[in-house]
Amino acid sequence: SQQGEEDPQALSIQEGENATMNCSYKTSINNLQWYRQNSGRGLVHLILIRSNEREKHSGRLRVTLDTSKKSSSLLITASRAADTASYFCATDALVNDMRFGAGTRLTVKP
Amino acid sequence: DSGVTQTPKHLITATGQRVTLRCSPRSGDLSVYWYQQSLDQGLQFLIQYYNGEERAKGNILERFSAQQFPDLHSELNLSSLELGDSALYFCASSVDGMNTEAFFGQGTRLTVV
Repeated sequence: SQQGEEDPQALSIQEGENATMNCSYKTSINNLQWYRQNSGRGLVHLILIRSNEREKHSGRLRVTLDTSKKSSSLLITASRAADTASYFCATDALVNDMRFGAGTRLTVKP
Repeated sequence: DSGVTQTPKHLITATGQRVTLRCSPRSGDLSVYWYQQSLDQGLQFLIQYYNGEERAKGNILERFSAQQFPDLHSELNLSSLELGDSALYFCASSVDGMNTEAFFGQGTRLTVV
């Protein structure tokens, strides 16, 4: 079964705008990761946030984690057309597997 | 290039047949994950190995099996194939399979006709 669920399923914005995607999960986790997938390609790791962290930054990416609400958000600032992709969150539950949600499909219009 | 190699890239086969997908993890990575991604869907976790041993099992059908060999490469065997098995199959590897970044291969696109 899926562990993480991303929201929204699809998001369309203009270049330069910020994009926010959310991830909710069901069970306690050790960490949460965000990945990006260009159409039909392998996933690329973006950022990992541990359960004892609340916020993390990497370039134009900002990730927050609220373990009390079992949710995370990924913010992409100043989006570019090249950011067009699907974004997935992955959680490891307690058995160190790595389960993904259904993803958010982001379209950034030039 | 993630350093994870999957072969073949494409595979077309008939219903009822058996295929083997191969994955070579990134050098130094001990853990391998297998995922199935149907068209425009999320990734379904199938199974994870660590240093030759099965570590976690997900939604893997009984018709599917996998193993990780002493040289750490892994194979996913799909048998009695059905049309619904058509999908992208991804392999990922990580150093220890615990709280670490995973690296994905480019996938094997399986088409069952």
